[in-house]
Amino acid sequence: DAKTTQPNSMESNEEEPVHLPCNHSTISGTDYIHWYRQLPSQGPEYVIHGLTSNVNNRMASLAIAEDRKSSTLILHRATLRDAAVYYCILETSGSRLTFGEGTQLTVNP
Amino acid sequence: SAVISQKPSRDICQRGTSLTIQCQVDSQVTMMFWYRQQPGQSLTLIATANQGSEATYESGFVIDKFPISRPNLTFSTLTVSNMSPEDSSIYLCSAYDPNTEAFFGQGTRLTVV
Repeated sequence: DAKTTQPNSMESNEEEPVHLPCNHSTISGTDYIHWYRQLPSQGPEYVIHGLTSNVNNRMASLAIAEDRKSSTLILHRATLRDAAVYYCILETSGSRLTFGEGTQLTVNP
Repeated sequence: SAVISQKPSRDICQRGTSLTIQCQVDSQVTMMFWYRQQPGQSLTLIATANQGSEATYESGFVIDKFPISRPNLTFSTLTVSNMSPEDSSIYLCSAYDPNTEAFFGQGTRLTVV
């Protein structure tokens, strides 16, 4: 299965933008790129997903490299409630979402 | 959006026994999955629950240990059989329609003593 690589942890200040990177160099042409986040003691929560074009929603933006081998999740203004583990996931054959290790985001007040 | 109810939310079980976890979705979904999550770690996909047929298991997981049922498009069960302390973990159910968003239950925290 295609794999994703993320930094173990990142830190941000409240009200500042956050750029969370993800490498997926073995991605295939039909794999969707998903981002989920998980707060302590909760199940993962959907953030955003895309295939080739950049995507925006009320939570975040997803910037996908032209060769699709990397992507960046952008939180435009981090809040304390955005502190979570963020997972970059490829939707592979059989519509399976296989999680990587994720990035622990800390937001400082 | 879909709402997932997962039962039980937690349990403490004796080794050698079995526990069945239920997952109910409030709307019909194409795909249902079961994951396991050790404390402080990421989610590991156990299997895809296929409606009306045998589940599809990931490498390292077998049907005898983790039998799964999915009788319809809104319900699935995962059984953890012949439990040992190594099975202590959080088990999560997920519902997904391709190219949309996946929804996750709150998880079942299992402790085997």
